Amino acid sequence: QQQVKQSPQSLIVQKGGISIINCAYENTAFDYFPWYQQFPGKGPALLIAIRPDVSEKKEGRFTISFNKSAKQFSLHIMDSQPGDSATYFCAASKEGAQKLVFGQGTRLTINP
Amino acid sequence: DSGVTQTPKHLITATGQRVTLRCSPRSGDLSVYWYQQSLDQGLQFLIQYYNGEERAKGNILERFSAQQFPDLHSELNLSSLELGDSALYFCASSVTYTTRWGYTFGSGTRLTVV
Repeated sequence: QQQVKQSPQSLIVQKGGISIINCAYENTAFDYFPWYQQFPGKGPALLIAIRPDVSEKKEGRFTISFNKSAKQFSLHIMDSQPGDSATYFCAASKEGAQKLVFGQGTRLTINP
Repeated sequence: DSGVTQTPKHLITATGQRVTLRCSPRSGDLSVYWYQQSLDQGLQFLIQYYNGEERAKGNILERFSAQQFPDLHSELNLSSLELGDSALYFCASSVTYTTRWGYTFGSGTRLTVV
């Protein structure tokens, strides 16, 4: 019940295209869903996060879509750029929790 | 620079040895979290300290231990090292003892056990 399943494992998108990464969770107690971006040699960095009281959150070219009934959430990167090439992790936690449960990660490559 | 400092960046050691990884949290953060990142296991939560006290434990092996000192820096001790312990070890910090506002990660320590 603590798992977060992320897909795809790797993704190649042309510059200017839309990158979509999906995550599914099982624990209905989860109420915080962040996405982290990790560049080679660096630690994961918080990109954007959503709570289940909204179905969508947008920050610049990055959008999280949240479907509570399906227990799924996704990251959309609009107008993808080569600089977006990185590994993306979804995560989840519940109120008062001390740990984030991470998905397995998606290696995104944006071709110029 | 995230503000979370981890040392050393790289560590190569032999099986059976003991190593210590160090983490200094971001200024003002009281919580320190340790995660292990391996290719096949992703990011696995090991342990959390808040203001010097252990608050949560994850999949941390008995051969591993950690502590947080009065100046809030933390150390992760790994002993009787095995080849399978080779991984990236990340430290993260946050203001509170919950995940409510997310973490700030350091750049990690890459441990190679040979």
